[in-house]
Order: sequence, then structure tokens, then C-alpha cells
Amino acid sequence: KAGVTQTPRYLIKTRGQQVTLSCSPISGHRSVSWYQQTPGQGLQFLFEYFSETQRNKGNFPGRFSGRQFSNSRSEMNVSTLELGDSALYLCASSEGQTFSGNTIYFGEGSWLTVV
Amino acid sequence: QQQVKQSPQSLIVQKGGISIINCAYENTAFDYFPWYQQFPGKGPALLIAIRPDVSEKKEGRFTISFNKSAKQFSLHIMDSQPGDSATYFCAASMTGANNLFFGTGTRLTVIP
Repeated sequence: KAGVTQTPRYLIKTRGQQVTLSCSPISGHRSVSWYQQTPGQGLQFLFEYFSETQRNKGNFPGRFSGRQFSNSRSEMNVSTLELGDSALYLCASSEGQTFSGNTIYFGEGSWLTVV
Repeated sequence: QQQVKQSPQSLIVQKGGISIINCAYENTAFDYFPWYQQFPGKGPALLIAIRPDVSEKKEGRFTISFNKSAKQFSLHIMDSQPGDSATYFCAASMTGANNLFFGTGTRLTVIP
């Protein structure tokens, strides 16, 4: 079974631009969540989508948004990029149940550098 | 506010030694505590996990010890190997929410 796939792996953007990152979850998984990883803040939850609906959201500004398609693939978008948005953006997928112990699998991430 | 606190930030252990990483939490609603291992350039991978109704869980060389009254849990890596050199994250989640709260990570280096 293929793992979580994220594209692109690396990208460089200029302040003020926007960026779209893509994620394909493990086959059969209906939940996709996104995390931001930085050296200073560590791993922080952005949002989670299940069956095309945002089910949970972290404490990030509205410039960060996402969506999920009917095939469970997901995209996240960051508008008006700031230097502080430079980070590794990780996509994770799971079967989707909200009982504890629902194993969450991560992709290798998209490295975003804002200059 | 960091909901899961992790220490130490970095750890150097000799090959064959025991690596111990500690985590603490405040939110008693947390009911699932996984540990993730991350190698450079890779995403975090689930290593081992525990629920609060169990005080210890062992999988191979990896053991989680859990102290519910103290709201603390720890990862023990026995017979540490150079291949274990990675960053380890503790995490917590709760029923009703499908997201993880992560500790700040521990960079483990195992010296041959």
C-alpha cells in the first residue's frame, strides 16, 4: 500500500505570494490533516478534513486554508506569504474515526521557503 | 501554550546504553499517547503508543512507561544503536478529536 504522498517536496516563494500544497492520503483513508513543523514551534496542527468537511482547526490565521476532494485528496493554501511561514508542511492521513488510538500516518512533507 | 512538555531537548548515548525521554501533560482528557520517530528529510513515523489504562507497554527494544497520577510518560530505548539516532516526539490525543498535540522533540545521537 502506498503511503501518504505530498507534492511538491521543495519550493521557494516570495513574500506576498500564495502557495498550494497537495496531499494524497493512504488508500481507503478518509481523514487528512495538516501540520506545520518549524525549529522554533515544533509540530503544530493546522486543520483536519474528513469527507470533504473541515472537522477540526488549529490556531492559525485565516491565510491558511485547505480543502478535501471527494477522492480524499487534499490541498492546503497559504495566501500572502510571510517569512515566518517558512516551514515543513506535513500531511497526515488516517481512517478517520475520532476514537483515541486512531493511527495517524505522515507523509514526508513539503519544504516551503519564503524569501 | 505547549500542552505536552518533553525533555531533554537533546541526548547523547553510547551504543548499547539506555535512552530515556520524558514527557508530561496537563489535560486529563488526553487518552492516547503515541511516540513518533523522525529521521532527517522524512516525516514522523509511529513508533509505539499507549493508553492510560496501562502502565507499561513494550515492543522490542522500545518501552513506554506511563504514570497517570503524575501525568507523565516516558520512552525507554534499550540497547541503543546508531541507527536509532533520530528525533523523537511524544504526542497526545483525545477521543472526539483526530489530531495530535506534540512535544517539542528530542534529538537522540547514539555514539558507536
